[in-house]
Order: sequence, then structure tokens, then C-alpha cells
Amino acid sequence: AQTVTQSQPEMSVQEAETVTLSCTYDTSESDYYLFWYKQPPSRQMILVIRQEAYKQQNATENRFSVNFQKAAKSFSLKISDSQLGDAAMYFCAYRSPATSGTYKYIFGTGTRLKVLA
Amino acid sequence: EAGVTQFPSHSVIEKGQTVTLRCDPISGHDNLYWYRRVMGKEIKFLLHFVKESKQDESGMPNNRFLAERTGGTYSTLKVQPAELEDSGVYFCASSRFGGVSTDTQYFGPGTRLTVL
Repeated sequence: AQTVTQSQPEMSVQEAETVTLSCTYDTSESDYYLFWYKQPPSRQMILVIRQEAYKQQNATENRFSVNFQKAAKSFSLKISDSQLGDAAMYFCAYRSPATSGTYKYIFGTGTRLKVLA
Repeated sequence: EAGVTQFPSHSVIEKGQTVTLRCDPISGHDNLYWYRRVMGKEIKFLLHFVKESKQDESGMPNNRFLAERTGGTYSTLKVQPAELEDSGVYFCASSRFGGVSTDTQYFGPGTRLTVL
């Protein structure tokens, strides 16, 4: 069975600085999808970034980028030029390919990011 | 486009009572998912509907939980009778295509259930 581990329950970053949130996963599948979701306080989860395992190039969305290391089964999220609005709980998630017959996400326990002014 | 909505936002009930949670997916999304997060733990999958059919209910914890999606639109999740360990945040998500690589699940704000 697949598992997702986020080893940092809480992280802090100074405004305008860079922070990296870690995520590791375990799977025997060769094709899969990885996601980072953000949940601001009292608001709904929104997708930050996604990565297809077959793509070697790391995904980037503005100030958010990932470091995808397939062999190491690592999928870290880097937030550059951190802003107060980045404060949230961040969840890493895994999804099997469609051929597996299941579309469910497998989540980590989350990392709470605090941004200090 | 309206997002996924969930009702109520918070429910407090006593052990043994019944609670029904509701989820309205994004219009046009055939796929609807229920997840649950128990305090401090990971978000866990409960089940997946494609239209009105249960595609995957492997995460449902026991027969005290009943999910329905009549007509393939909104879905309800009933817990009867509720136990203390059912406390947590219940998330609903929807997606348009399901298994294709470009599909993304959009999440609602969650219902916080507290069982006393």
C-alpha cells in the first residue's frame, strides 16, 4: 500500500525568505501523481502544484516549485519570497494511475507553515 | 463557478445520535469523494461516487456510515449512531473526469463533527 510522510508538523519562515516543506512517499507503482494542497485557516483546501511521475522536469507555479526525486521517492515544496498569505496547512498527496482502478488521494499528516512579519 | 460546498460547517452531537452531512459538488463534476481527517492525523479517503454509483467505498470505516448520491448531484453522509471516534473534519471533493492524468480534485471547506 502507498504511504505519504510529512515529517515536519510545523515550520516557520520570515516574510520574503524561502522555505522548503518535505514529503516522502512509498509506492511500488512506476506511474503516479503527486500534489501539494494548501489549506488556509478556516478556508478550503486549494491545489498549489501537481507533478506527474513520468515527467522529469520539476513543476513550477509562480513562487512555488517542487523538487521531485523519483528514485528517492521525495517530493518537496519550495516557497520563494514567502508572503503572509502563504501561512496555511500544507498537505502532500499521492494518487495512483487510472489503471489502478482507484482515484483516491493518499495524504500526509500536513505541515503547518507560519510566516513571520 | 461555485466551488464545492458543504453543510453544516460544524456539528456537535452526543454519542448515539445521528448526523447527516451534505456535499454539493461543482456543477458538471461526475466524481465526488468523501475524506475524513481525525485530529492531528492524515486525511483519509472514505469513498468515491461516479454519478450516483459507488465506485470505491474501500475507506468506509464500518456500517454506521451511509453515503448516498441520489440523482448524481449532491451527496449525503450519514453517521448512525455516532461514536466518539467519529469526531473529525469531513471533507468532500469533486472532479470532472476521474482517472485522466489532468484531473484534479477540488475540495470543500469541510464539516467539523464533534461527538461528545
